[in-house]
Amino acid sequence: GQQVMQIPQYQHVQEGEDFTTYCNSSTTLSNIQWYKQRPGGHPVFLIQLVKSGEVKKQKRLTFQFGEAKKNSSLHITATQTTDVGTYFCAALYGNKLVFGAGTILRVKS
Amino acid sequence: EAQVTQNPRYLITVTGKKLTVTCSQNMNHEYMSWYRQDPGLGLRQIYYSMNVEVTDKGDVPEGYKVSRKEKRNFPLILESPSPNQTSLYFCASRLQGNTEAFFGQGTRLTVV
Repeated sequence: GQQVMQIPQYQHVQEGEDFTTYCNSSTTLSNIQWYKQRPGGHPVFLIQLVKSGEVKKQKRLTFQFGEAKKNSSLHITATQTTDVGTYFCAALYGNKLVFGAGTILRVKS
Repeated sequence: EAQVTQNPRYLITVTGKKLTVTCSQNMNHEYMSWYRQDPGLGLRQIYYSMNVEVTDKGDVPEGYKVSRKEKRNFPLILESPSPNQTSLYFCASRLQGNTEAFFGQGTRLTVV
């Protein structure tokens, strides 16, 4: 089936360090979404990217959509303990919203 | 309050005993889906529905059934649960195909 590959699977950073997670698809995507799941919680929508080369920012979070619309990244500047959780990308294939495997972020204070 | 409600939140059952996990949304969303979350595998889609009486298989449909008789409800049925269905299950809904998904609180199922 359709797949969105997400790396890394896990990252443990010192508070204040930056963090990036990447998503890749073998096919061109119509859009890509990002979600955050806090420990013990449910996924919560962060943002959707639609345009080729699009860059959007939410405070310390920067989201990018590749020029070819086959990859995307989420970058967090100066991580804080409140950033801990699992970050998922998700892509639409027809009517199906397919999620990447997620990147678990742990922050050492 | 706009929300997706799943019940139960926690369930321990025995192999072969039929169970239903309910999901209800109050946002008049067209699309509803069921996912299971397992360590290292992310969120895998079980079934999805584009509207009343319209459902389709996701990536891991084996052992599950769904129905969409009303727009707001999308129950997940396990006719004969097995231990490999032990997982964290999420129901999600979205207005249209390319809009954000809203998730329920999750149902942690253990099959012994």
